[in-house]
Amino acid sequence: EVQLVESGGGLVKPGGSLRLSCTASGFIFTDNYIHWVRQAPGKGLEWVGHIKTKTAGGTTDYTAPVKGRFTILRDDSKNTVYLQMNSLRIDDTAIYYCTTFASGWWDWGQGTLVTVSS
Amino acid sequence: EIVMTQSPATLSVSPGERATLSCRASQSASNKLAWYQQKPGQAPRLLIYGASTRATGIPARFSGSGSGTEFTLTISSLQSEDFAIYYCQQYNNWPYTFGQGTKLEIK
Repeated sequence: EVQLVESGGGLVKPGGSLRLSCTASGFIFTDNYIHWVRQAPGKGLEWVGHIKTKTAGGTTDYTAPVKGRFTILRDDSKNTVYLQMNSLRIDDTAIYYCTTFASGWWDWGQGTLVTVSS
Repeated sequence: EIVMTQSPATLSVSPGERATLSCRASQSASNKLAWYQQKPGQAPRLLIYGASTRATGIPARFSGSGSGTEFTLTISSLQSEDFAIYYCQQYNNWPYTFGQGTKLEIK
């Protein structure tokens, strides 16, 4: 059974940085892309970005609002993907979820809350 | 970017009745379409993927149909636990995109 566990959320000031983690189990981590999705309070879902497998180049893609500020990294030895968030803005406040299509459908973690406020 | 448009924004239906939710893509999403249910304080729950395949443990009263640009989620006989927000999501082209959601409320 696929399990995804996010951690690292918290309160940060505008302009600050935070690193989220997504630790995975129940599937072959090295063979699968990992994605990040966020949801601002009371709002809909927004795809943040993803990281491909090393076999596929290990490259990343990001949605426009976070490009240049957010970086996704993976550590296959730890079955973990990181979302490094820099230059945080108030509108980055959201629950951040990681998700994967490893099983042939979408599995999601429970999310971690990031609050950007002075 | 594929824009996903859900309609209606809010749907009021009585328990036991059928609910039909629509999702339109601005360009073809093929059959790479998922539906989610979300309740307050919870993560999205996958209902349907591949436009019409029910996820594990999802009751048969939920069904999905469509391909290309027009998709439908049907809930055949609404139960009290079905009142929630529903989102569609295309994963045919990056960036993957979601609809804005349909709130299904009790009439």
